[in-house]
Amino acid sequence: EAGVAQSPRYKIIEKRQSVAFWCNPISGHATLYWYQQILGQGPKLLIQFQNNGVVDDSQLPKDRFSAERLKGVDSTLKIQPAKLEDSAVYLCASSLSERGTQYFGPGTRLTVL
Amino acid sequence: KQEVTQIPAALSVPEGENLVLNCSFTDSAIYNLQWFRQDPGKGLTSLLLIQSSQREQTSGRLNASLDKSSGRSTLYIAASQPGDSATYLCAVIRNYGGSQGNLIFGKGTKLSVKP
Repeated sequence: EAGVAQSPRYKIIEKRQSVAFWCNPISGHATLYWYQQILGQGPKLLIQFQNNGVVDDSQLPKDRFSAERLKGVDSTLKIQPAKLEDSAVYLCASSLSERGTQYFGPGTRLTVL
Repeated sequence: KQEVTQIPAALSVPEGENLVLNCSFTDSAIYNLQWFRQDPGKGLTSLLLIQSSQREQTSGRLNASLDKSSGRSTLYIAASQPGDSATYLCAVIRNYGGSQGNLIFGKGTKLSVKP
């Protein structure tokens, strides 16, 4: 069974630029999550989707971050414009059901200069 | 507000030793608790999931316990090996009637097993 796929693996941008990350969950997983992990911290949820609907985006900085999952399968997370404090690893996870075991992708390491 | 704390932040042990990693959470109203492993430059791998009604789960050399009333969980690793070296993260999902699966993580314990 293929795992959660993410791309790119690494991205370096300058502040005020925009960036987008892509995630393809495990086939059949209805629930998809985006987490932000700052160095030395545990991951923090940005947004949770159930199929193509948003369940929780309370911690998403909506003035600069956006995410979509149009067909209920893969998802993109965008930052525009990026700030220095957005430097982090962005992890995508999926689960078969809400509150089930979450399976994580390898993450995208973002560096904002 | 749910907060998850992991002690110690780092641990170094010789190969073969049994060890315990600790996790505590401030709000006992949890749906489940999960232990993850994170290797450098990689994502998280789920090790064990304990439902709120359970007391422990076992997988191979790993045993996780949950005491919801005291807000504590432990991960026991038997006969540690150098391949166990990684950061171990504890996370809980709150139980408040919604469908959110928001995992609230601790900062992790970085384990180093010396040959």
